[in-house]
Amino acid sequence: EDQVTQSPEALRLQEGESSSLNCSYTVSGLRGLFWYRQDPGKGPEFLFTLYSAGEEKEKERLKATLTKKESFLHITAPKPEDSATYLCALSTGNTGKLIFGQGTTLQVKP
Amino acid sequence: DVKVTQSSRYLVKRTGEKVFLECVQDMDHENMFWYRQDPGLGLRLIYFSYDVKMKEKGDIPEGYSVSREKKERFSLILESASTNQTSMYLCASSPQGGGANVLTFGAGSRLTVL
Repeated sequence: EDQVTQSPEALRLQEGESSSLNCSYTVSGLRGLFWYRQDPGKGPEFLFTLYSAGEEKEKERLKATLTKKESFLHITAPKPEDSATYLCALSTGNTGKLIFGQGTTLQVKP
Repeated sequence: DVKVTQSSRYLVKRTGEKVFLECVQDMDHENMFWYRQDPGLGLRLIYFSYDVKMKEKGDIPEGYSVSREKKERFSLILESASTNQTSMYLCASSPQGGGANVLTFGAGSRLTVL
């Protein structure tokens, strides 16, 4: 069964304190691994898609990496505005539907 | 700017009422999805549609139905609302094909069933 597990559930950082969020997955055939950001009371907002092991993508203070079993979202020198829930999701077939992890809620304190 | 619009941000309904959640996208996307989001459970797929008048069950379709009469509109229907359907409902759309297309989400509809 295709499955996505994110850890930790919650993460508190001081401003400037770098860290990583983990997304572990088991899948029969990976079409793409997605990262989304979700602010309270809003819908998820797309960040990255990774397609194959070894791939990396960056956007401002965020960098996403992919192995055959895991993806990491590295946050370098975070700011309070990076506080949000980060969601990892898999696409495994031709339908376009995504399987989501439970999310990691990040709080960055000034 | 691409958009998925959910007509109601907050709804309060009573047990047994029929509830309609409406979603409209302006991107000419073929695929549309309904998810629900609950604390500790993440996003779970209720139904999706890859074409007008077509629908497919997701992981938790029980108690729900959908309608897609026009390409841009995808409605979620709760025939007889129950308290365990209190949740955040998220609509999304994506272009056809490939299996790895980005889903664009609406802002969500928070439903409370009393």
